[in-house]
Amino acid sequence: QVQLVESGGGVVRPGRSLRLSCAASGFTFNNFGIHWVRQAPGRGLEWVAVIWFDGTKKFSAASVKGRFTISRDNSKSTLYLQMNSLRVEDTAVYYCVRSLGPTVYNGLDVWGQGTTVIVSS
Amino acid sequence: QSVLTQPPSASGTPGQRVTISCSGSRSNIGSNAVNWFQQLPGAAPKLLTYSHDQRPSGVPDRFSGSKSGTSASLAISGLQSEDEADYYCAAWDDSLNGWVFGGGTKLTVL
Repeated sequence: QVQLVESGGGVVRPGRSLRLSCAASGFTFNNFGIHWVRQAPGRGLEWVAVIWFDGTKKFSAASVKGRFTISRDNSKSTLYLQMNSLRVEDTAVYYCVRSLGPTVYNGLDVWGQGTTVIVSS
Repeated sequence: QSVLTQPPSASGTPGQRVTISCSGSRSNIGSNAVNWFQQLPGAAPKLLTYSHDQRPSGVPDRFSGSKSGTSASLAISGLQSEDEADYYCAAWDDSLNGWVFGGGTKLTVL
């Protein structure tokens, strides 16, 4: 079945780095744009970044621009999120989410179970 | 402060029909498809409706989405106890070049 499995979360000090991974299975990974969406404890959903199916285009939220980088390896069906200069406010569950169809604008249809990032001194 | 505006809470009794609203602007709801998500406690969000009124397979037809101008709504008919959850609306924003979400609506089944 279609599945997204995130990994790489953990506890990290402010200012340090962390790389999240998302392993996809059950579908043709290189046909879909993929997003990262996060949810701080007790808060709502916040879109973080998206990468096009072929990796040629990327967008990220203003809150993470210049600090987080989204990338993908289609040969490994894996999505990444490199997070640098982490802040306490980056503490959240990070979800990997597949785009609905070939474009990134129409929907977010498959969600992973999430990986937890805690930024604390 | 979320880009899309939802009421923080809603409630209804079993069997009742409830509606949750979502207000945006021309650059998001006014120009793009609206998604609605259900998030049960401790679980990842689940897509309920997309393109305003389409449902993924497996989502009961008790859930229906609609859109008018820069506003959207989710209607849940025949309310059941298992519908108690947080509900989020979302859409792509052409000005921000990213997805924007509502703050979420906590639905209580009385």
